[in-house]
Amino acid sequence: QKEVEQNSGPLSVPEGAIASLNCTYSDRGSQSFFWYRQYSGKSPELIMSIYSNGDKEDGRFTAQLNKASQYVSLLIRDSQPSDSATYLCASLANAGGTSYGKLTFGQGTILTVHP
Amino acid sequence: GAVVSQHPSRVICKSGTSVKIECRSLDFQATTMFWYRQFPKQSLMLMATSNEGSKATYEQGVEKDKFLINHASLTLSTLTVTSAHPEDSSFYICSASVRRGGRVFGPGTRLTVL
Repeated sequence: QKEVEQNSGPLSVPEGAIASLNCTYSDRGSQSFFWYRQYSGKSPELIMSIYSNGDKEDGRFTAQLNKASQYVSLLIRDSQPSDSATYLCASLANAGGTSYGKLTFGQGTILTVHP
Repeated sequence: GAVVSQHPSRVICKSGTSVKIECRSLDFQATTMFWYRQFPKQSLMLMATSNEGSKATYEQGVEKDKFLINHASLTLSTLTVTSAHPEDSSFYICSASVRRGGRVFGPGTRLTVL
């Protein structure tokens, strides 16, 4: 069983719609969760981090975390063609209270926003 | 914000040669850096964790004698792919820890071994 699972997609949404990306994780020791965006041929860039249950909003992005269900999601409102990319979910199980635990990535979801 | 650079961005080499990739933290000190490899249409796979002043910790299945890591200062870690072969062709990305476990990634190095 993969430690972090995502639907690989592709997920296709029209411009202006809400894109919903989902992720589940298996390690209950995971404390921190991240969403990265990766354009083709580029390295990942951090777009959201979430550490506690509930919603966290930043501009058009909302991350949701449910530790009981081991579920993380990312909502992108008013999707734009420039949002087309691969979105990587990652979980971190802290090692001894430090931030140097292993960051585990899902396989990524390809999002396409069409005009 | 924290920035990580990598050099070179792209390298093409002949089979059997060694290639060194540099990873620098530009405006902060990085005690720990991480090296990832990404094959086409796959996710990032952690290769090793690089600690300043000590030996790197390699993930299972990664040959430490083939992928030499040196973290000689708080701003520089290097990955040397020794005796590279075509199957080593990949996208190599380094990253450094920032607050609360986040990682900032370098721009990556595309290695092609002929």
